[in-house]
Amino acid sequence: QSVLTQPPSVSAAPGQKVTISCSGSSSNIGNNYVSWYQQLPGTAPKLLIYDNNERPSGIPDRFSGSKSGTSATLGITGLQTGDEADYYCGTWDGSLSAVVFGGGTKLTVL
Amino acid sequence: EVQLVESGGGLVQPGGSLSLSCAASGFTFSDHYMDWVRQAPGKGLEWVGRNRNKANSYTTEYAASVKGRFIISRDDSKNSLYLQMNSLKTEDTAVYYCVRVTSSWGGFDYWGQGTLVTVSS
Repeated sequence: QSVLTQPPSVSAAPGQKVTISCSGSSSNIGNNYVSWYQQLPGTAPKLLIYDNNERPSGIPDRFSGSKSGTSATLGITGLQTGDEADYYCGTWDGSLSAVVFGGGTKLTVL
Repeated sequence: EVQLVESGGGLVQPGGSLSLSCAASGFTFSDHYMDWVRQAPGKGLEWVGRNRNKANSYTTEYAASVKGRFIISRDDSKNSLYLQMNSLKTEDTAVYYCVRVTSSWGGFDYWGQGTLVTVSS
């Protein structure tokens, strides 16, 4: 049981938009930055979004992040087959003094 | 170019010990917090622990699942991070990633390729 809650799977057609939610509490998302990671099959995770809504250099603006209260959302527009991957949210939890992750969401581009 | 290269993974029996290393290059290692994250086969990401930088007295934090068994240390002169794992359990079987924490502590911006630790008799 993960501290942060993500949907196990989402799907959409190529070219469409999808959002992935990440729900937490005041001890984690509510008072700390959220980050998002993409993990392609057989590879290490890659940072997509940090500090709630910032993209590292090289990450296309098709990827966006937002946070409201104790929830965060990753948005992906113009879906491509290459976006099929597992996506994880993460943040610091002040009550646990630990980094916590969501359970991951598998994106399928139909 | 930032690079993180883990080594030291392998097969170990339950109750045994293993030490992992992470060689860092391409950035000022001493400025950054460094963490370990693991992923059991077919499972999600699990944070293992953190080693803060010299400015923050190299303090450490650990996940409850490894506290008292694992020790994270670093040697800034060698640009290296270490994970000493003791009293290993079968549930510690995972790929272990060395990761760099962003300057704002808001994420992990670089990941190593990972090293597999298998705990089995």
